[in-house]
Amino acid sequence: EADIYQTPRYLVIGTGKKITLECSQTMGHDKMYWYQQDPGMELHLIHYSYGVNSTEKGDLSSESTVSRIRTEHFPLTLESARPSHTSQYLCASKWRGETDTQYFGPGTRLTVL
Amino acid sequence: RKEVEQDPGPFNVPEGATVAFNCTYSNSASQSFFWYRQDCRKEPKLLMSVYSSGNEDGRFTAQLNRASQYISLLIRDSKLSDSATYLCVVNMYSGGGADGLTFGKGTHLIIQP
Repeated sequence: EADIYQTPRYLVIGTGKKITLECSQTMGHDKMYWYQQDPGMELHLIHYSYGVNSTEKGDLSSESTVSRIRTEHFPLTLESARPSHTSQYLCASKWRGETDTQYFGPGTRLTVL
Repeated sequence: RKEVEQDPGPFNVPEGATVAFNCTYSNSASQSFFWYRQDCRKEPKLLMSVYSSGNEDGRFTAQLNRASQYISLLIRDSKLSDSATYLCVVNMYSGGGADGLTFGKGTHLIIQP
């Protein structure tokens, strides 16, 4: 089993609230990722990081922001949640090598009312 | 053209049958290949990496055809528990700061008793 954790697992919140989705891994992985996935749909990469103080935007434009102050921690923040942000958010991590496996956290299912 | 293409299915297959999926990728410089499994409303989990010489893990066999740019997954003696979405993943890393792990949309498999 992968040692990558996400909290909360489920979040229902009102429009306009600021939220932070937490992601932590204890494997010492350099690379970390955030994906967004709607039910029955494909994964979309929204952010990734190569290491501490590195953050990059992914393929899908997102209003969220991320930070990487510590290797093991990669939180995602929405300053003002909207119903269009309702989705599942999956965090992942891997070693830096191209052939290394990417491990996923259990996900946070976000509903914005 | 999508970078990684899969037949979305669903594939409805009787228990015990053999089923095969294909996945095509657009970037001939792709270096590493994986099959992930995703159960409904769960995170993707690595099923197997795909090596140039092909590889087998129990009932599962993965093949890579670089000339035609496709990878395949064969499941023999299918079980009810094999029902899931199978994601084709290709690392198209080409340097320059872009992270190249690309997920297909997935093939939905339903094993029927």
